[in-house]
Amino acid sequence: GEDVEQSLFLSVREGDSSVINCTYTDSSSTYLYWYKQEPGAGLQLLTYIFSNMDMKQDQRLTVLLNKKDKHLSLRIADTQTGDSAIYFCAESGFKGAQKLVFGQGTRLTINP
Amino acid sequence: EAGVAQSPRYKIIEKRQSVAFWCNPISGHATLYWYQQILGQGPKLLIQFQNNGVVDDSQLPKDRFSAERLKGVDSTLKIQPAKLEDSAVYLCASSFSAGGGYTFGSGTRLTVV
Repeated sequence: GEDVEQSLFLSVREGDSSVINCTYTDSSSTYLYWYKQEPGAGLQLLTYIFSNMDMKQDQRLTVLLNKKDKHLSLRIADTQTGDSAIYFCAESGFKGAQKLVFGQGTRLTINP
Repeated sequence: EAGVAQSPRYKIIEKRQSVAFWCNPISGHATLYWYQQILGQGPKLLIQFQNNGVVDDSQLPKDRFSAERLKGVDSTLKIQPAKLEDSAVYLCASSFSAGGGYTFGSGTRLTVV
């Protein structure tokens, strides 16, 4: 079955880069996503990558996909206090299903 | 474009009571999802509708949870009777098709005491 794993916590200094990692088990995943969740809020889609790509950049965000190792990462450049949140990795496409399968989330804390 | 609307935002009930949540997806989105997010975990799919038909309800505890999507638009999720372990945020999402088009509502936070 499908499974998505993330480390639970990451702490970085303001202005540094943050790298959040994710591994998944299903090689048939079609899309891989990064969502941001702030306290008391819903899920905000940050970016997504199609499985035949290995990199996608969008302003301060860079997504890297290593399909061989089933490893996905999200790099946030010049991390700001507003980036404090929980970041979820998710995949879809397992056996053609549309549903999203989420990791348990990485809590990003910014130190001044 | 209006987002996915959910109500209520918060609900506190006693165990064994019943509760219902409502979701209005983005206009034109054929697929609607209900997810359960327990504190400290990622969201988990409860049920997926395509128009008014169920696509996947394999993770829905059918002895106490039910959901419907009449006319392929709004949806309601009901819990009867509620248990303490049902305390969670219930998120509704909709999509036009598979891929990057998922939009989530703000969720309903349920506390069962």
